[in-house]
Amino acid sequence: DIVMTQSPDSLAVSLGERATINCKSSQSLLYGSNNKNYLAWYQQKPGQPPRLLIYWASTRESGVPDRFSGSGSGTDFTLTISSLQTEDVAVYYCQEYYFTPRTFGQGTKLEIK
Amino acid sequence: EEQLVESGGGLVQPGGSLRLSCVASGFIFNNYWMAWVRQAPAKGLEWVANMDQDGSQKYYVGSVEGRFTISRDNAKNSLYLQMDSLRDEDTAVYYCARWRESRANAAFGIWGQGTVVTVSS
Repeated sequence: DIVMTQSPDSLAVSLGERATINCKSSQSLLYGSNNKNYLAWYQQKPGQPPRLLIYWASTRESGVPDRFSGSGSGTDFTLTISSLQTEDVAVYYCQEYYFTPRTFGQGTKLEIK
Repeated sequence: EEQLVESGGGLVQPGGSLRLSCVASGFIFNNYWMAWVRQAPAKGLEWVANMDQDGSQKYYVGSVEGRFTISRDNAKNSLYLQMDSLRDEDTAVYYCARWRESRANAAFGIWGQGTVVTVSS
């Protein structure tokens, strides 16, 4: 099975500062004739279901603020929040969607410093 | 509005059974792959099972293989998860999720609010 490893496990960032979360896959997620990376990022706030933020590693879902961006290719990916807002406090998960089982990272808890 | 609403969770003894349901609205249900994802208390997300639009392809995580069965009724816009031989470690919030796109491999674009399953004696 694919292993998805996020770093760090937790992160505290000051309001207005940049937050960076990393995700590493044990196999390349770059496949297909479309040459896309099968990697998504989700945000989960307490008591809520996950919300899709980014798919194809770098495409922002409709309605997601542009301070969220995804980058990377192959096995190494990054979620960046350019200017942290109070409402961004949450746990963030990466997930591959090429292989079965679909595997999530262990999650990164983001807090305000 | 595209929406998924789960039901059927509850308290069940080890070895017991439970059937979860997920009703979809606001989109053409039979256009999409569907999945169940669970989250144990204070833990991360774990994909459980998924199936294609007509039910011909079904996949399960190893820990539930042979115990859980995913199914759907497109006429009722509904997804199901029959859970048998339940174990303590199956205790979790169970989410219904829809592919973002109608292709075979896509991110989970829509999530339900979840239904709580507790396995305990």
